[in-house]
Amino acid sequence: SQKIEQNSEALNIQEGKTATLTCNYTNYSPAYLQWYRQDPGRGPVFLLLIRENEKEKRKERLKVTFDTTLKQSLFHITASQPADSATYLCALETSGTYKYIFGTGTRLKVLA
Amino acid sequence: GAVVSQHPSRVICKSGTSVKIECRSLDFQATTMFWYRQFPKKSLMLMATSNEGSKATYEQGVEKDKFLINHASLTLSTLTVTSAHPEDSSFYICSAAPEGAYNSPLHFGNGTRLTVT
Repeated sequence: SQKIEQNSEALNIQEGKTATLTCNYTNYSPAYLQWYRQDPGRGPVFLLLIRENEKEKRKERLKVTFDTTLKQSLFHITASQPADSATYLCALETSGTYKYIFGTGTRLKVLA
Repeated sequence: GAVVSQHPSRVICKSGTSVKIECRSLDFQATTMFWYRQFPKKSLMLMATSNEGSKATYEQGVEKDKFLINHASLTLSTLTVTSAHPEDSSFYICSAAPEGAYNSPLHFGNGTRLTVT
């Protein structure tokens, strides 16, 4: 069956360190993968999109990698700040449609 | 940037009544909108895909007659929870996809917290 898993439900790191979040999937062949940030009681906010033929994408302190062989995406936040504390969701496009399936999410807490 | 407005943000209703939630794309047209349900500390569960001018496509296990979706215009989709029960209490979120851009970011509303008493 199709499955998307994010490495851990919660992750605590010290301010200034790099946070690395993992998204693994099975039985999908997505052409696009996206990462979103969600704050409590709010809708997700788009961060980055990466295509299957792209290995890496960067935006300011954020970096996403996409390994279609390993079926894995890594999401990095460098020089993390307490304001980065939120839940981060990966989402996979399915079948060339608008339909994205979301991962279970990782709650990141950056400690001051 | 593209803005999706969802209303109401919170609603409390009595068991057996119906509740309507609106999702509007404010500055772009959306032929397709999505409705999700989210349980506490869980991810978004796709309920249905709302298509302007046609019937919604529901995900497996989602009751069509329970969750009525109408997408009457390119900027408005509504989700009506009919004959609500306490187990329908949840956080409902909509998203919209810009027309003809299936590989573009999804734009989300801020969700509706439904509590059925």
